[in-house]
Amino acid sequence: DAMVIQNPRYQVTQFGKPVTLSCSQTLNHNVMYWYQQKSSQAPKLLFHYYDKDFNNEADTPDNFQSRRPNTSFCFLDIRSPGLGDAAMYLCATSRERLAGSEQFFGPGTRLTVL
Amino acid sequence: AQTVTQSQPEMSVQEAETVTLSCTYDTSESDYYLFWYKQPPSRQMILVIRQEAYKQQNATENRFSVNFQKAAKSFSLKISDSQLGDAAMYFCAYRNQGGSEKLVFGKGMKLTVNP
Repeated sequence: DAMVIQNPRYQVTQFGKPVTLSCSQTLNHNVMYWYQQKSSQAPKLLFHYYDKDFNNEADTPDNFQSRRPNTSFCFLDIRSPGLGDAAMYLCATSRERLAGSEQFFGPGTRLTVL
Repeated sequence: AQTVTQSQPEMSVQEAETVTLSCTYDTSESDYYLFWYKQPPSRQMILVIRQEAYKQQNATENRFSVNFQKAAKSFSLKISDSQLGDAAMYFCAYRNQGGSEKLVFGKGMKLTVNP
């Protein structure tokens, strides 16, 4: 019973070549999150959607954009990937934007930048 | 800004034994949630247990329990009767009750379970 699905699981791109990562959910949750997790580091929130309302973290580079065309899907666009953007990208959902809400994570997309 | 510290990057435990993972955090808030998430190799992160700061009783979920010391800002996870499937990265996380919705994670700790 896949709940949060991320495609592809592995993505290789070239320096400066735009790339899009995909996340879909079958939970009908209101909130969708994108995290960046570099090797041996904590996941770092990039932004989240509460329904159609986009919320960007202050320190998220402009190079990162997101789209949520409907409840089920959310995309992470990296306009000009640099070597420093190589990381695992995690998508997560929660029913509500409450502090105690459980977040459900996808398996992640590992991005390699050549 | 809130911070979460997991000082032990790696631990190991023998199958069927008990292990305690430590976590400390820093905040000036009085109402918040604390979480332990588990990330098995090549699999998605899942919630293990959560604790609301206003609840004095320590949370338990089957073999998993926490020792929440609010004054000391400490939130340790105890795993009893360790199983091979417990091997994973464990992340401690913090979230304010109000204001920022951000889940703040520690750097994680790799737990190895030896048969």
